[in-house]
Amino acid sequence: DADVTQTPRNRITKTGKRIMLECSQTKGHDRMYWYRQDPGLGLRLIYYSFDVKDINKGEISDGYSVSRQAQAKFSLSLESAIPNQTALYFCATSDQLAESTDTQYFGPGTRLTVL
Amino acid sequence: DQQVKQNSPSLSVQEGRISILNCDYTNSMFDYFLWYKKYPAEGPTFLISISSIKDKNEDGRFTVFLNKSAKHLSLHIVPSQPGDSAVYFCAASWGGAQKLVFGQGTRLTINP
Repeated sequence: DADVTQTPRNRITKTGKRIMLECSQTKGHDRMYWYRQDPGLGLRLIYYSFDVKDINKGEISDGYSVSRQAQAKFSLSLESAIPNQTALYFCATSDQLAESTDTQYFGPGTRLTVL
Repeated sequence: DQQVKQNSPSLSVQEGRISILNCDYTNSMFDYFLWYKKYPAEGPTFLISISSIKDKNEDGRFTVFLNKSAKHLSLHIVPSQPGDSAVYFCAASWGGAQKLVFGQGTRLTINP
């Protein structure tokens, strides 16, 4: 079973709709992240959370919100989706107690299309 | 402002030869560097990393070189195999921040 899972894997929605992407992990890591990937731009950080009570904005947080429901769950919401939010979204985790605390482990991604 | 840059969007290499992927960075505060590999329809997977106190790190066929004065790192894959065909991202972090800044990625194709 995958350590980091994302649901849904694919989603097509319309402009103005509210969308939630979910991420769960069984790695026992305390830190979780949301990224988006666009062609030619690599991965850009949207939000990150170092524990359940800690939520931080990343590089491109406008238009997004997050919720850390538990140590193992971190969801990303688009309150009112717009076409330029069409992208591949990745969740990742890391372990502050690891020898290499900066190494992150990624889920399989969610392909979101906003029409 | 792109702090981590991979200037080659694609690279094609013959099987058995060396693949060299390059990455440049602008922020001198970065002290930890990683390479990730990504296959289609999968998330990036960690490949190899290097701390700024080192200039080389090896793991099997993969070696990462860091040139701090030039703010440049490279990933060498020897020998290249068809399964190495993927998109490779370099990433950087600083001060144990546990936040990564990624390059744009390079698509490596290994030809038989």
